[in-house]
Amino acid sequence: DAGVTQSPTHLIKTRGQHVTLRCSPISGHKSVSWYQQVLGQGPQFIFQYYEKEERGRGNFPDRFSARQFPNYSSELNVNALLLGDSALYLCASSLVAGSVYGYTFGSGTRLTVV
Amino acid sequence: DAKTTQPNSMESNEEEPVHLPCNHSTISGTDYIHWYRQLPSQGPEYVIHGLTSNVNNRMASLAIAEDRKSSTLILHRATLRDAAVYYCILGSQGNLIFGKGTKLSVKP
Repeated sequence: DAGVTQSPTHLIKTRGQHVTLRCSPISGHKSVSWYQQVLGQGPQFIFQYYEKEERGRGNFPDRFSARQFPNYSSELNVNALLLGDSALYLCASSLVAGSVYGYTFGSGTRLTVV
Repeated sequence: DAKTTQPNSMESNEEEPVHLPCNHSTISGTDYIHWYRQLPSQGPEYVIHGLTSNVNNRMASLAIAEDRKSSTLILHRATLRDAAVYYCILGSQGNLIFGKGTKLSVKP
C-alpha cells in the first residue's frame, strides 16, 4: 500500500510569490494534518482537516490556508511568501481527527524562499 | 497542550541498550504519552505510545513512572539505523505537539 505522498519534493520560490503543496493520505484515512518544520526544530502544527472541514489550526498567519477534497487529499497554500517560510512542510494522515496515535507522515516538501 | 522536556542529545554504542528520558510534570489524566522518531531526510514515524502501564512492541519499550510525570523510551539493542531525533509527545484528543526532541547518535 502506498504511504502518504507529498508533491513536489522540493521547491524554490521567490519572496512574495504563492505556493501550493499537495498531499495524498493513506487509503482509508480521512484526516490530514499539516506541519512546518524549520531546520533544527520539531514540526509545528499548522492545520488539521477531517471530512473536508477544518478541525484545528495552529498559530500561523492568514497567509496560510488549506483545504481537503472529497477524495481526502489536501492542499496547503501559502501566499506572499517570506524568507522565514523556508522549511520542510510535512503532511500526516490518520483514520480520524483527534487521533493522536496512528499518524503516518509523508517525507515532506522542502520549500526554499529566496 | 502539556509540555515535555528531553535532553538535546544522547550517544550510544551499537548493540547496547538506550534509555531516552522524558519529563512531563504537567501531564493530565487523559494524556497519552507518544514517541515518534525522525530519521534524516524523512518525516516522523510512530514508535510507541502508552497511558499508564509499560508497553512493548517490536521497535521499543515504554516505561512510565508510577506518577506519570516521566517516561523512558527503551531501545533494547541500538543499531546504526536507530540514529534519529526522538520526540516525546503528550496528547489526548488534540494534535501532535512536538518539542525539539533528543538527537540520538549511535557509534559503531
